[in-house]
Amino acid sequence: NAGVTQTPKFRILKIGQSMTLQCTQDMNHNYMYWYRQDPGMGLKLIYYSVGAGITDKGEVPNGYNVSRSTTEDFPLRLELAAPSQTSVYFCASSYWDRPYEQYFGPGTRLTVT
Amino acid sequence: DQQVKQNSPSLSVQEGRISILNCDYTNSMFDYFLWYKKYPAEGPTFLISISSIKDKNEDGRFTVFLNKSAKHLSLHIVPSQPGDSAVYFCAASLYGGSQGNLIFGKGTKLSVKP
Repeated sequence: NAGVTQTPKFRILKIGQSMTLQCTQDMNHNYMYWYRQDPGMGLKLIYYSVGAGITDKGEVPNGYNVSRSTTEDFPLRLELAAPSQTSVYFCASSYWDRPYEQYFGPGTRLTVT
Repeated sequence: DQQVKQNSPSLSVQEGRISILNCDYTNSMFDYFLWYKKYPAEGPTFLISISSIKDKNEDGRFTVFLNKSAKHLSLHIVPSQPGDSAVYFCAASLYGGSQGNLIFGKGTKLSVKP
């Protein structure tokens, strides 16, 4: 049982490039989330999904896109990367009946230069 | 404008003593509160939660207290152990936490010295 896995662990992007951050969970959780954590700050919700085919915006969705075609996977797409997107990105998942108890992946550290 | 505030960036305590981490919130609509713990290079892990209908919740060495009138909650760790050294995030939610939209504070780094 791997829990929540994220790839890659680290990535450096040039301004204007695009990439997809991968997230997979093997706990059969209905709900999945993407957060970003800037240095010295708390986590901020980017997007979340309550099930396959259903996604919704969080607090800071601009510059990102998501899709959820399966229960297990919730990729985050960055289009036209900007320095302001330099951050650590965490994916999380939870059961539908305890959405506040979220299981987090180890994070992806992204630098945009 | 931060809705969840952790005003102490760091806290240092001696092993065996009590650690008290504080959190204030501004949105009176929040009705579910949580604490997460984070070690370096790992994702946060859920620690303990409390509903706004309670004023205390206990789980082993960890107790969370909620003072709704003051919009304040605290996490008590007794006794503190070196393995408790981590960053602790306070988080709040609406609708009893039913949607999972958590608003996090900036975190407090706890160091427990042997």
